Amino acid sequence: GDSVTQMEGPVTLSEEAFLTINCTYTATGYPSLFWYVQYPGEGLQLLLKATKADDKGSNKGFEATYRKETTSFHLEKGSVQVSDSAVYFCALSDRRNASKIIFGSGTRLSIQP
Amino acid sequence: DVKVTQSSRYLVKRTGEKVFLECVQDMDHENMFWYRQDPGLGLRLIYFSYDVKMKEKGDIPEGYSVSREKKERFSLILESASTNQTSMYLCASSVTVPTEAFFGQGTRLTVV
Repeated sequence: GDSVTQMEGPVTLSEEAFLTINCTYTATGYPSLFWYVQYPGEGLQLLLKATKADDKGSNKGFEATYRKETTSFHLEKGSVQVSDSAVYFCALSDRRNASKIIFGSGTRLSIQP
Repeated sequence: DVKVTQSSRYLVKRTGEKVFLECVQDMDHENMFWYRQDPGLGLRLIYFSYDVKMKEKGDIPEGYSVSREKKERFSLILESASTNQTSMYLCASSVTVPTEAFFGQGTRLTVV
């Protein structure tokens, strides 16, 4: 079945460092891909999305490109801030299976000042 | 803005109690979801509803049931709470998959 694998955390970086969180997926169809973020004590909120191959999603300085050839959707940011400390979830959904949004296990990111 | 509201942020219940978790959304979304979040396991789908009175089991439905009598409200029921149901519960809604889902703030349930 469809699945999402993302790099394990926790990830600890210094402020202004470059961030990459890896995400790969397995899907038999043509999924849409998402990154969600969960700040401490809150629910998840959508960070960015891409609906087809080669699309780039971007928001708040974060970017991710839908790579069909490598089945990847890695999250990147050029210069992280303390306020980016959160848990990040990669997810996919497939229009052929309306009941499922499949999430990765989450990556906890901690930014040190 | 879409708002998904869960009735409680924190709950403490005793083993064997019947527990109701309520979720309300204000954007007329067709789909509503209940997830459970545990460290290292990510989000796991408990139940999904795509219309009033319609429901589908997710990956871990055992020990849970749901009710959707009105479009805006989706309730999760723990028939007889057990300590292994101590967890964070997240409700979400969406217009249609594969568009994005909107999440509530979560209910942290502790069963003692």
